[in-house]
Amino acid sequence: AQKITQTQPGMFVQEKEAVTLDCTYDTSDPSYGLFWYKQPSSGEMIFLIYQGSYDQQNATEGRYSLNFQKARKSANLVISASQLGDSAMYFCAMRELLKGGATNKLIFGTGTLLAVQP
Amino acid sequence: DAGITQSPRHKVTETGTPVTLRCHQTENHRYMYWYRQDPGHGLRLIHYSYGVKDTDKGEVSDGYSVSRSKTEDFLLTLESATSSQTSVYFCAISDGVSNQPQHFGDGTRLSIL
Repeated sequence: AQKITQTQPGMFVQEKEAVTLDCTYDTSDPSYGLFWYKQPSSGEMIFLIYQGSYDQQNATEGRYSLNFQKARKSANLVISASQLGDSAMYFCAMRELLKGGATNKLIFGTGTLLAVQP
Repeated sequence: DAGITQSPRHKVTETGTPVTLRCHQTENHRYMYWYRQDPGHGLRLIHYSYGVKDTDKGEVSDGYSVSRSKTEDFLLTLESATSSQTSVYFCAISDGVSNQPQHFGDGTRLSIL
C-alpha cells in the first residue's frame, strides 16, 4: 500500500529565511504524483505544488519548490523567503489510483505545522 | 478559487441522529470526493463519485452513505451519528486529469455529542 510520511510535527523558521519540510513516500507504482497542500488556521486546503514521477525537473511555483529525489523516495517542500502568512499546516499527498481506474484518491501524510517568527 | 460550497460549515448534533452534509460545485467536474480530517491521520477518503449516480467506497466508509443525483451536488449522510464521527469533513472535486490537483471546499466541522 502507498504511504506518505512526514516526520516533522512542527517547525519554526525566521521571517525571510528558507525552510524545508520533509516528505517521504512509499509506492510500488512506477507512475505516481505528489502534491503539497497548505492549511492555514482558517481551515481551508490550498493546493501549492505538484510533482510527477516522470517529470525531468523539480517543480517550482513562486516561492515554493520541490526537492524531488526519486531514488530516496523523498519530495521535500522548500519555501524561500518565509513570510508570516506562511504559518500553517502543510500536507504532503500522493495520488493513488482507485479501483477500476475511475479516478485517483489522495493519500495524505499527517502534516507539519510551520510557525514563521518575526 | 474553485467553486465549491459546503454546507453547513458547522454543526453540533446528538448521537443517533441523522446528519446530511452537502457539497455543491460550479465547475462541472466529473469527480467528487468526501474526506474526513482527524488529528494524527491527515485526510482520509470516505466515499467518492465518478458521475451522476456513480459512487463508491473509500477507506473509511463504514457508517456513511452518499448520493449524487446531479453533477453539481454530492451529499454525505450519517444515518445514525456516533461520537467517533466527530471530525472535519472536506469535499473535493477534480477533472480526473492525473497531474491536476483535487480542489477542496472549506470544510464542515461536525461535533456529535
